[in-house]
Amino acid sequence: SQQGEEDPQALSIQEGENATMNCSYKTSINNLQWYRQNSGRGLVHLILIRSNEREKHSGRLRVTLDTSKKSSSLLITASRAADTASYFCATDRLRTGSRYQLTFGKGTKLSVIP
Amino acid sequence: DGGITQSPKYLFRKEGQNVTLSCEQNLNHDAMYWYRQDPGQGLRLIYYSQIVNDFQKGDIAEGYSVSREKKESFPLTVTSAQKNPTAFYLCASARDRGGYEQYFGPGTRLTVT
Repeated sequence: SQQGEEDPQALSIQEGENATMNCSYKTSINNLQWYRQNSGRGLVHLILIRSNEREKHSGRLRVTLDTSKKSSSLLITASRAADTASYFCATDRLRTGSRYQLTFGKGTKLSVIP
Repeated sequence: DGGITQSPKYLFRKEGQNVTLSCEQNLNHDAMYWYRQDPGQGLRLIYYSQIVNDFQKGDIAEGYSVSREKKESFPLTVTSAQKNPTAFYLCASARDRGGYEQYFGPGTRLTVT
């Protein structure tokens, strides 16, 4: 079942511009995570934001979380060609039997043009 | 050099054959996961294990099997019962059963013809 949905599906920007990706989800969460995937590679964890946090920064990344709207956004400032990748949000929620499970969205494909 | 490894990177099999994908981690993580990724799609959870000798089905476990005999290893077998096995398979590990980031291996691309 798809818990997180990213928007837009694809985004193309010029180097130096900011890139914003959004994620919406359906049920309550423990935390929300953002991952990056270069083509044909594994995922790399970027940032984790807990349900009681509203904003988090890491270098050029800024993540916000609005639990009332069940949405999150990832902002990459001053983008570089090396930021070209797919970006996924993943929601971590408690499932039956006290087991946590991450559910991934379909991702936003970001292209940064030099 | 800590990390999570998957082998092989590319795997080709004939229809009707079982195939086992390897996943090893030296991060001392308790939890390990197998995901499947199809083109243009997100990741779907196949199986996960939160401690040795214990594993649970994920959302798409049919046609797959796993074992967790050692903390470091979580191999995935794609059986002939899996109707559409061609995909990119990703293994991940995490420190504990929930609330932590997952560390991913480089993936195995399986092609079944």
